[in-house]
Amino acid sequence: ETGVTQTPRHLVMGMTNKKSLKCEQHLGHNAMYWYKQSAKKPLELMFVYNFKEQTENNSVPSRFSPECPNSSHLFLHLHTLQPEDSALYLCASSQDKGVGNTIYFGEGSWLTVV
Amino acid sequence: GNSVTQMEGPVTLSEEAFLTINCTYTATGYPSLFWYVQYPGEGLQLLLKATKADDKGSNKGFEATYRKETTSFHLEKGSVQVSDSAVYFCALVVGGYNKLIFGAGTRLAVHP
Repeated sequence: ETGVTQTPRHLVMGMTNKKSLKCEQHLGHNAMYWYKQSAKKPLELMFVYNFKEQTENNSVPSRFSPECPNSSHLFLHLHTLQPEDSALYLCASSQDKGVGNTIYFGEGSWLTVV
Repeated sequence: GNSVTQMEGPVTLSEEAFLTINCTYTATGYPSLFWYVQYPGEGLQLLLKATKADDKGSNKGFEATYRKETTSFHLEKGSVQVSDSAVYFCALVVGGYNKLIFGAGTRLAVHP
């Protein structure tokens, strides 16, 4: 139990589908993140939210749409994805600022786009 | 810019062997340094961290020392077990911005 829970753990979707990934943190943190881990690239930061406000969008295509309704929940809405978007999507949380604050990760959602 | 370089894997060891995974970094300012571990089919778990020069992080028999003079944070363990088989990621955070910058990861395989 890491304190960061992601659902679903596995998702298969077609290129025309719309689906969402959900993340919930139980650690009282103020910052939440989406990372992408694919087989052929290093871990990539996608989005950062601090106190529900998006503070980082790392040039992510608009077919990925994040939503942060409160400091404990984070969603990643998916639509018209491509097969190359198949990857492990990791949610994380931390205190927002401060030297050396640890970032805690969930177990990830494995996404396959067919 | 800020970056992390790790030794390429895979690293294959026999049980009870000594492990070193090299990590060097480039950073503007004074980073905090981390090692994360990813077991098969799972997300990332924090293994250890160090927030200033000469600090030593340690956990589960693993150690790493923040060396500012060599900009390194090498991971070591004196005696590895089969259960240590995983991918290990070195990472840094600079300043007050909690944006982890990861190395490419090093896969470790320990056999009996």
